[in-house]
Amino acid sequence: EDKVVQSPLSLVVHEGDTVTLNCSYEVTNFRSLLWYKQEKKAPTFLFMLTSSGIEKKSGRLSSILDKKELSSILNITATQTGDSAIYLCAVDPWTGAGSYQLTFGKGTKLSVIP
Amino acid sequence: GAVVSQHPSRVICKSGTSVKIECRSLDFQATTMFWYRQFPKKSLMLMATSNEGSKATYEQGVEKDKFLINHASLTLSTLTVTSAHPEDSSFYICSAPLLSDTQYFGPGTRLTVL
Repeated sequence: EDKVVQSPLSLVVHEGDTVTLNCSYEVTNFRSLLWYKQEKKAPTFLFMLTSSGIEKKSGRLSSILDKKELSSILNITATQTGDSAIYLCAVDPWTGAGSYQLTFGKGTKLSVIP
Repeated sequence: GAVVSQHPSRVICKSGTSVKIECRSLDFQATTMFWYRQFPKKSLMLMATSNEGSKATYEQGVEKDKFLINHASLTLSTLTVTSAHPEDSSFYICSAPLLSDTQYFGPGTRLTVL
């Protein structure tokens, strides 16, 4: 059974701090790992990491995939109150031609206080 | 632990037919469930909020008569795509909240309309 575990479950930091969110996974035939930010409605897509693209960066956010350790981290530098959200990690395993599934972690709730 | 299942995981249908997708919460009750659609660039769009015992709440731009939602019980919500067309082909995901901040996502259903 595919499994995605995120840690910590919740985190409170002050503005300006740097945070690292963790995601570990156990899947057969890994294809890609996705990070999302969920505030109110639908999760907003942040990054997709695959074997051919193990590091992504966008502004203050960056993410690295460690295929050996079966994990990924999401870094946020110089945090702002607007970064407060639940960050979701999902893994997309290869389940056969034409098939597609996502397994989500429970998320990390990040609270950034002024 | 809390799990959300979806059935079927993959469906192929002819244009003009209707397709029903089930979302079930296992081991917990969910008075509310959410239906999302994933687009090619991995973004998730909230389609509607399914409410047990009452009508679903649809997001702006989502056709109620096209995407019928029925929350039949505290553990089951169904999404029926009526008169499906090729542009309805997508990946549909449901989620159910267990606690106020924890969403459990289903593995998704890949719909292909020929």
